[in-house]
Amino acid sequence: AQSVTQPDIHITVSEGASLELRCNYSYGATPYLFWYVQSPGQGLQLLLKYFSGDTLVQGIKGFEAEFKRSQSSFNLRKPSVHWSDAAEYFCAALSGGSYIPTFGRGTSLIVHP
Amino acid sequence: GAGVSQTPSNKVTEKGKYVELRCDPISGHTALYWYRQSLGQGPEFLIYFQGTGAADDSGLPNDRFFAVRPEGSVSTLKIQRTERGDSAVYLCASSPIAGPPSDTQYFGPGTRLTVL
Repeated sequence: AQSVTQPDIHITVSEGASLELRCNYSYGATPYLFWYVQSPGQGLQLLLKYFSGDTLVQGIKGFEAEFKRSQSSFNLRKPSVHWSDAAEYFCAALSGGSYIPTFGRGTSLIVHP
Repeated sequence: GAGVSQTPSNKVTEKGKYVELRCDPISGHTALYWYRQSLGQGPEFLIYFQGTGAADDSGLPNDRFFAVRPEGSVSTLKIQRTERGDSAVYLCASSPIAGPPSDTQYFGPGTRLTVL
């Protein structure tokens, strides 16, 4: 079955430190891949997406993600975290021809001053 | 409108009651999605509309759940005989057209449903 796994439920970093959030997918073929951020009381906001081409994808708010086919991963990174980045982050995948994404369970990012 | 809006933002009801949750998509968006997000989980797909018709309702958990979009814009998710297990945040999203690579979905803030 198709699935998206975010192995870390919580991640705690200090402000200014670098960040990497992990995402692994299990699909028959490479799906389209997305990262969303959800702040309390807010809807999900798209950070970035990967369809094809360059495996390093730049997004909004200084985030980037790298697609690694050999590892079935699409990890999200940011070189220097700001306190306002504290939120829930969701990885999602969409197989070609489908309109229905599968979301991971999310990773909660806590930022210490 | 500026974004996807959902009303009410919070809904508390008693077990067995009927509820309606409303979604106003971004103007001109033809695709509309409903998701359910339980505590500590990612959104789970419920139903997807392309225009007025439900293109895929395979995510609806049972026949107590129903959704409509009669004029191709506003959508209402209807839940009959609510159960405590229905408690969750119900998210709505819209997109200009359906399907990759254009399938950027714009999410509303959600309706938090609590069934007592």
